Amino acid sequence: DTEVTQTPKHLVMGMTNKKSLKCEQHMGHRAMYWYKQKAKKPPELMFVYSYEKLSINESVPSRFSPECPNSSLLNLHLHALQPEDSALYLCASSNDRFTDTQYFGPGTRLTVL
Amino acid sequence: DAKTTQPPSMDCAEGRAANLPCNHSTISGNEYVYWYRQIHSQGPQYIIHGLKNNETNEMASLIITEDRKSSTLILPHATLRDTAVYYCIAFAGGTSYGKLTFGQGTILTVHP
Repeated sequence: DTEVTQTPKHLVMGMTNKKSLKCEQHMGHRAMYWYKQKAKKPPELMFVYSYEKLSINESVPSRFSPECPNSSLLNLHLHALQPEDSALYLCASSNDRFTDTQYFGPGTRLTVL
Repeated sequence: DAKTTQPPSMDCAEGRAANLPCNHSTISGNEYVYWYRQIHSQGPQYIIHGLKNNETNEMASLIITEDRKSSTLILPHATLRDTAVYYCIAFAGGTSYGKLTFGQGTILTVHP
């Protein structure tokens, strides 16, 4: 089983709202990732967690706040977003090494009004 | 990670083999060639990867040239559901903390 789940599937929020995206995997993977994909563009890495610790932040604005409360769960907290943050947010996970294959979830389609 | 070059689009007839090329002339010795695909508005789906040898799984075959400067993904009997963007990625992982660098990919359209 290589399933990564993401909720919600769709999210519409205003610029003053606070919302969270959730990602879950039960494959025992210890590395988890957030990617962002704008329309008609390829995915771009935002954050990497390894063993629940943040390893990489690709210069992402502070209005995006990741959290890894346990080895199965990854959250992305959103606050004071801009309309240009509207995108497909993808979560991925891989085994305990960064060299291992990443498996992606279906994504959350975010629209910021 | 090494840059990859793919044709922007390709067509294929249903039931025929789809051969998707990828150039990675600057690939280093520890970089694997990975293929993912993304069907419209879904998350990328892992297809196959290889280092030097040709690889085959239930989805596809991967042919890597001996000098490792290029590769071909083969979908042996394409179906309409194989219509997607296909990404070829040169990936080492360890030195980049697992960062997958996606290029523009190839839009494969399978026709009836």
